Amino acid sequence: TQLLEQSPQFLSIQEGENLTVYCNSSSVFSSLQWYRQEPGEGPVLLVTVVTGGEVKKLKRLTFQFGDARKDSSLHITAAQPGDTGLYLCAGAKETSYDKVIFGPGTSLSVIP
Amino acid sequence: EAGVVQSPRYKIIEKKQPVAFWCNPISGHNTLYWYRQNLGQGPELLIRYENEEAVDDSQLPKDRFSAERLKGVDSTLKIQPAELGDSAVYLCASSLVGGSSYEQYFGPGTRLTVT
Repeated sequence: TQLLEQSPQFLSIQEGENLTVYCNSSSVFSSLQWYRQEPGEGPVLLVTVVTGGEVKKLKRLTFQFGDARKDSSLHITAAQPGDTGLYLCAGAKETSYDKVIFGPGTSLSVIP
Repeated sequence: EAGVVQSPRYKIIEKKQPVAFWCNPISGHNTLYWYRQNLGQGPELLIRYENEEAVDDSQLPKDRFSAERLKGVDSTLKIQPAELGDSAVYLCASSLVGGSSYEQYFGPGTRLTVT
């Protein structure tokens, strides 16, 4: 059973378009991270959200943590080819020392 | 500050052969993770260390996989014997556990191909 689900699985858009990807779970998380992974590299941390309803912005990227801390979204404005990559969400369950669970990722391709 | 270092970056071996991967975490990070990642999927945890102690190895196939983290710093992951299905990217990550965040910093990974 996948504890974290991400949608869509694949997304191909034109440069300049906006997009939103989602991360959903039936579990409550104490924190949730978003990573971006480029081919041949390890995931790179983009942001951590910890408070229900929290919104964080990183340039053209907007991250939101659901009020119940079970889901999150990532919105990209005016996508650029450099945004291409695998976007992974990862959640840490509330109990201390629980492992971090990764979602399967959304593969984004931004076409120039 | 140096990031997580992994070696080798690529490894091609024949099935039934042994293979080992090495990881040096970020200085001061007490938690170290080994993940396996298949193409187009998210990382799957194999083992997690808190200092020298393996606190979660429930997903490690213990019949052929082993890991160690001597002195709570570097770590080695070994597969013996390798099978075709072990072909994947093996990622090492480290973090400084505390508070409510579990931010992990990943190395570039070792891409293993078993033929």
